[in-house]
Amino acid sequence: GIQVEQSPPDLILQEGANSTLRCNFPDSVNNLQWFHQNPWGQLINLFYIPSGTKQNGRLSATTVATERYSLLYISSSQTTDSGVYFCAVGRTSYDKVIFGPGTSLSVIP
Amino acid sequence: EAQVTQNPRYLITVTGKKLTVTCSQNMNHEYMSWYRQDPGLGLRQIYYSMNVEVTDKGDVPEGYKVSRKEKRNFPLILESPSPNQTSLYFCASSPTRLNNSPLHFGNGTRLTVT
Repeated sequence: GIQVEQSPPDLILQEGANSTLRCNFPDSVNNLQWFHQNPWGQLINLFYIPSGTKQNGRLSATTVATERYSLLYISSSQTTDSGVYFCAVGRTSYDKVIFGPGTSLSVIP
Repeated sequence: EAQVTQNPRYLITVTGKKLTVTCSQNMNHEYMSWYRQDPGLGLRQIYYSMNVEVTDKGDVPEGYKVSRKEKRNFPLILESPSPNQTSLYFCASSPTRLNNSPLHFGNGTRLTVT
């Protein structure tokens, strides 16, 4: 089956630090999205980013579709950034969406 | 407020007792989908629907049924729940089937089958 990889699997940051999360995806999929699952279990869509770069406040994401990877940048991390970050990919017709295994982030004061 | 609403948030039931988890969206989205999340296995797609009266299996459809009789609702039905269906379930929707817009998730339903 289609495998989406994320790294690192776990990350602990001091509040205020920056971090980069990576998602690798195979040739057969595209239309990458990043999600944050907060400690209460809610899944929030951060970016829909099939290619290029987007920024939203302290978060930004870059997808290099030709090289099959995406990066999520978190700057000046806050404790509220804690949770699990997932990337997800799908085929153009959106019939199947496949999630990566996630990066578990803990931001400590 | 634009949202995807799932009910109930928590459900404890016994093996074999039919149950339905409801999902409703108020954004006139064409695409709706169900996922289950399990430790170590991540999020896996159960069923999806491209539009009214159009549904199809995802990666783990066994033991589940769905229906899409109207655009806003996409209930998940467990005819005879079993303990291996204990999981955290999410419903999601998206404006179109063309995958050019983000998925919006409900708040999840934590199901325990004893």
